[in-house]
Amino acid sequence: KNEVEQSPQNLTAQEGEFITINCSYSVGISALHWLQQHPGGGIVSLFMLSSGKKKHGRLIATINIQEKHSSLHITASHPRDSAVYICAVGGNYGGSQGNLIFGKGTKLSVKP
Amino acid sequence: DTGVSQDPRHKITKRGQNVTFRCDPISEHNRLYWYRQTLGQGPEFLTYFQNEAQLEKSRLLSDRFSAERPKGSFSTLEIQRTEQGDSAMYLCASSLAGGHTEAFFGQGTRLTVV
Repeated sequence: KNEVEQSPQNLTAQEGEFITINCSYSVGISALHWLQQHPGGGIVSLFMLSSGKKKHGRLIATINIQEKHSSLHITASHPRDSAVYICAVGGNYGGSQGNLIFGKGTKLSVKP
Repeated sequence: DTGVSQDPRHKITKRGQNVTFRCDPISEHNRLYWYRQTLGQGPEFLTYFQNEAQLEKSRLLSDRFSAERPKGSFSTLEIQRTEQGDSAMYLCASSLAGGHTEAFFGQGTRLTVV
């Protein structure tokens, strides 16, 4: 079982729909990241959070530390939101500091 | 400073050849990470540096792989005697040290071994 699981793996939505991507993890963490990866490979950091909720524009990220679960929401989705969204967790693993464990990503396609 | 930059963006090489990739982190960032991402998978940790010291290496980093960060600024990742299984996107990220801080990623170098 992967230490970071995302669902769904693939998601197709119509423009304007509200989208939710889920991330569950099994390790102790100090922070969770939501990342966006466009075709071509570059990764952009969307959020880093360790508790509660953060909002940036149409994007909202929440985390429940007790349940080891986070969600990324996109309101009023748009075709330019089409990308792979990756959840990654960071913390101390056996003395390691700072490196991230990644989920496999959720491929989002928003149709006009 | 415009962020983390990687060079080259794409590399096609014949099996058995050596390749070297470069990563220039954000200038004030003292941590630098290398990750590898194969098609359809999330990135996997390879190694990281704090300043010039290589503090951790993944078991994925076979003896054909070597990474350096000689002056604590840019880093290079070299793969010797490339194999087809080395074909992947190689991602570099940098961050500040001290607790857990946000990592900033480069555009990646896509390696194809033919």
